[in-house]
Amino acid sequence: GAVVSQHPSRVICKSGTSVKIECRSLDFQATTMFWYRQFPKQSLMLMATSNEGSKATYEQGVEKDKFLINHASLTLSTLTVTSAHPEDSSFYICSARTPGRNSPLHFGNGTRLTVT
Amino acid sequence: AQRVTQPEKLLSVFKGAPVELKCNYSYSGSPELFWYVQYSRQRLQLLLRHISRESIKGFTADLNKGETSFHLKKPFAQEEDSAMYYCALFSGSARQLTFGSGTQLTVLP
Repeated sequence: GAVVSQHPSRVICKSGTSVKIECRSLDFQATTMFWYRQFPKQSLMLMATSNEGSKATYEQGVEKDKFLINHASLTLSTLTVTSAHPEDSSFYICSARTPGRNSPLHFGNGTRLTVT
Repeated sequence: AQRVTQPEKLLSVFKGAPVELKCNYSYSGSPELFWYVQYSRQRLQLLLRHISRESIKGFTADLNKGETSFHLKKPFAQEEDSAMYYCALFSGSARQLTFGSGTQLTVLP
């Protein structure tokens, strides 16, 4: 089945530094990928929709200058957390939808970001 | 605005007992509804979707537009069903998936 690979699975960084998270669709082309954030004991919250070849669409309340999204190819989207702060510590998950009407989303394994 | 509500954060049942995970939604259009499951230390994965009307791992879910519900059911729970379950609604117009807050199901031996 369709696989979405997310890397790294876990990262620890110092406050003020930037961290890049990659999301790849391994066996299909994804014109659109989605980035979610999950706080402990809470639901997945959509952060932004990543569109290949164009600017990402951010959800209300998500700082686009802080969470930079690049979708340079049909199989890769990256999320860069810039100038990270401890409150950015969270679980970030990407997903992509396989081509075809009513096709489901497939999720990466997620990235646990800890900002010290 | 679309909304998905899962009223139970935690649900425990004994092995062999029936289980129902509740999901209610609010959406002005024609909804596409899904159930996703996340087993311990694994990625979130699709369990089933309403348009397929399928049964996966013994689970079924029927869309009730009158009650705006999409409850997940299984007649005989198994210990391996213990996981986090998310109900989700896809908006075609907004092209986004809205998740409920999730229900942690624990099946006791």
